[in-house]
Amino acid sequence: DIQMTQSPSSLSASVGDRVTITCQASQDISNYLNWYQQKPGKAPKLLIYDASNLETGVPSRFSGSGSGTDFTFTISSLQPEDIAVYYCQQYDNLPYTFGQGTKLEIK
Amino acid sequence: EVQLVESGGGLVQPGGSLRLSCAASGFTFSSYWMTWVRQAPGKGLEWVANIKQDGSEKYYVDSVKGRFTISRDNAKNSLYLQMDSLRAEDTAVYYCARDIFRDILWGTFNYWGQGTLVTVSS
Repeated sequence: DIQMTQSPSSLSASVGDRVTITCQASQDISNYLNWYQQKPGKAPKLLIYDASNLETGVPSRFSGSGSGTDFTFTISSLQPEDIAVYYCQQYDNLPYTFGQGTKLEIK
Repeated sequence: EVQLVESGGGLVQPGGSLRLSCAASGFTFSSYWMTWVRQAPGKGLEWVANIKQDGSEKYYVDSVKGRFTISRDNAKNSLYLQMDSLRAEDTAVYYCARDIFRDILWGTFNYWGQGTLVTVSS
């Protein structure tokens, strides 16, 4: 199975900050990488697919980049409503696997 | 509006069985791969199984192979997960999810249900 490693596991930032989360795959997954946001008690929400494509309706302050084994997720200007856990997910091979999550908090 | 509504969760003893259902609406259910993803309390997300539009292909994570069975009824716009020989480690919220593109497998889930909690405990 492909292992997905996110960094950091938790992050505290101020409103307006630029926030970056990284995700590393244990093998080359091309650009088959998604990013999800999950708020407490809610289902995950797709933000970015194919490593860099913004899902319809998602604010443009969210972006993704990378290919191969190293990927980056960025929030250009952190908003209070962005407090959540963020997960990367590979879909290059079954079983699909998720990173362990990054908990984002407001400083 | 796309809606996915899970049901069937509850408390079950180790070794017991449970059948989860997911009622879909707002899209052509028979055109999409469907998936189950679970989340143990306080833990991350784990993909469990998926099924092709016509039910002819099914895939499972190793930890549930031989114990869980995914199925669908396109006439009823419903997805199911039959869970047998349940273990404590199967305790989780189970989400059904829809793949992003019709007709093809993409492994990207842009619609999710609200989840149903399964607790395996004596």
